Amino acid sequence: AQKITQTQPGMFVQEKEAVTLDCTYDTSDPSYGLFWYKQPSSGEMIFLIYQGSYDQQNATEGRYSLNFQKARKSANLVISASQLGDSAMYFCAMREVSGAGSYQLTFGKGTKLSVIP
Amino acid sequence: DGGITQSPKYLFRKEGQNVTLSCEQNLNHDAMYWYRQDPGQGLRLIYYSQIVNDFQKGDIAEGYSVSREKKESFPLTVTSAQKNPTAFYLCASSTSAGTGLEKLFFGSGTQLSVL
Repeated sequence: AQKITQTQPGMFVQEKEAVTLDCTYDTSDPSYGLFWYKQPSSGEMIFLIYQGSYDQQNATEGRYSLNFQKARKSANLVISASQLGDSAMYFCAMREVSGAGSYQLTFGKGTKLSVIP
Repeated sequence: DGGITQSPKYLFRKEGQNVTLSCEQNLNHDAMYWYRQDPGQGLRLIYYSQIVNDFQKGDIAEGYSVSREKKESFPLTVTSAQKNPTAFYLCASSTSAGTGLEKLFFGSGTQLSVL
């Protein structure tokens, strides 16, 4: 079974609008971290936001926020006020603390976001 | 500026040839990682190292080898045993895995193609 599932291969959003990118995860480890990375066409992976499994509040970083629903095992990324420079691939990833998956960052297959002027 | 440097940006491999991808970091991070990315796919872990002179296989280590003789450097060799080496390779580093939840910092990647 996939540990990280991103069900949207591609998304379009109008400039200045908000967009939500979906991510669900699967783990039995009570302690884990969830990450979102952005990959522009240049190829570099850029860290956006992090949510720990024990964090009580949803993480926010500027225009990025993470809608963390622990019972549903979902960690959706919300980008507010989209900009043309937000057009890129977005990857959700999880890092478990214990077991065979520890120290590894497991990635979903990504969502390609295109911002329309 | 601190960061991770990967070289070369583009690399071509001939049949039966071994090639080495370079990864250097000046972030003073203990842990380093190599990921492979195929088109339309997420990243898959090849090897990782949590400390100098120690490394572990990831999910797709077959056909690859690494060394970690210095803290700053974690080169990846793609051997002739890797039958499908064409991919984008990303190196990453993080602080030592105290909680296991440290974020990874990535280099800009190397595109490897087979001639």
